Amino acid sequence: KAGVTQTPRYLIKTRGQQVTLSCSPISGHRSVSWYQQTPGQGLQFLFEYFSETQRNKGNFPGRFSGRQFSNSRSEMNVSTLELGDSALYLCASSPGQGNQPQHFGDGTRLSIL
Amino acid sequence: AQKVTQAQTEISVVEKEDVTLDCVYETRDTTYYLFWYKQPPSGELVFLIRRNSFDEQNEISGRYSWNFQKSTSSFNFTITASQVVDSAVYFCALSEAGVTGGGNKLTFGTGTQLKVEL
Repeated sequence: KAGVTQTPRYLIKTRGQQVTLSCSPISGHRSVSWYQQTPGQGLQFLFEYFSETQRNKGNFPGRFSGRQFSNSRSEMNVSTLELGDSALYLCASSPGQGNQPQHFGDGTRLSIL
Repeated sequence: AQKVTQAQTEISVVEKEDVTLDCVYETRDTTYYLFWYKQPPSGELVFLIRRNSFDEQNEISGRYSWNFQKSTSSFNFTITASQVVDSAVYFCALSEAGVTGGGNKLTFGTGTQLKVEL
């Protein structure tokens, strides 16, 4: 069974640009969550999508947004990039019911110059 | 608000030693879930275990064991006879059942870097 797939693995952008990250969940999983990992703030929850609807949201500015498609694939978008957005962005999927183990992808490492 | 504390930033042991990673949590919910994840250098978070707040039984899985104590709000993780392959960052996480919509929102601790040397 294929795991969670995130693309691209690495990305370099400059301040002010926008970026879109992609996540394909494990087949049959309907919940997709996104996390940001930085050395200073650690792992922080961004948002969760279930059945194409945002079900939970963390404390991030509106520049961070996401969506989920009917096949459960998800994208995350960050607009007007700032230096502090440099991080490893991790996507996780789970079957759907709350509080089940989430399975993570390898992440997308975003560097802002 | 929920919080997870992993006071040990880094632990170094020699192979075959036993090591315990501490995790203390805070929550107002009576129903919650606790998790441990392992993050090797490759970056992917690997799920190790989930426990719910009503199940205080300790669990053993091979060289891994977990000690859940509600009285002290702790969920500690012990690796017996550690191996070099155990070297990784280990995260403890909390999910509250009262999360809006019954969804998934993990609050992570800051992680413990475990280094196992020969």
